[in-house]
Amino acid sequence: KNEVEQSPQNLTAQEGEFITINCSYSVGISALHWLQQHPGGGIVSLFMLSSGKKKHGRLIATINIQEKHSSLHITASHPRDSAVYICAVPVSGGGADGLTFGKGTHLIIQP
Amino acid sequence: DTGVSQDPRHKITKRGQNVTFRCDPISEHNRLYWYRQTLGQGPEFLTYFQNEAQLEKSRLLSDRFSAERPKGSFSTLEIQRTEQGDSAMYLCASSFWAAEAFFGQGTRLTVV
Repeated sequence: KNEVEQSPQNLTAQEGEFITINCSYSVGISALHWLQQHPGGGIVSLFMLSSGKKKHGRLIATINIQEKHSSLHITASHPRDSAVYICAVPVSGGGADGLTFGKGTHLIIQP
Repeated sequence: DTGVSQDPRHKITKRGQNVTFRCDPISEHNRLYWYRQTLGQGPEFLTYFQNEAQLEKSRLLSDRFSAERPKGSFSTLEIQRTEQGDSAMYLCASSFWAAEAFFGQGTRLTVV
């Protein structure tokens, strides 16, 4: 069964700073997910990636399959980026099962 | 299609009562997942369906829990004889095969 470690658990930064959140996992995977969760519970999928790098607006996700590691970056951070960011991978590594999640990184961006 | 919807959004129940939650996935999605999230933790996988077939169940899903997806569309999650430890957010997600999963807003259960 895959295990996911995220760091840091909590991060407070000033508006405009470059943010990096890290995720490592134990079993080879078909794809890794980065998710965003706001207070109240709703989860939004940010990225699903299996290799290299993806960019969407100010968000960038990278993955190194050999090292079983992924990073989520936020450029020019803004208070509206404040949320919990969660890394998730397939429970057994493949694409035909549910996800196992990290504990999340609680990000606060101060004006 | 407005995305994955869950009903109810909040449920308060007395210990020992049965509760049932509903999830309506995105219409063309053949896979449907249930997760549970307790305060301060990431979600935990409970079970998943491919069409109407329940293909995998976590050991977290005790005998008091049952999930169905009778026609391969909406799904229900029932908890019998609720316990205080069942208090959590119950999340549903759907996907088309192994593509990106879309999550509902969740049902927050409080057992008193």
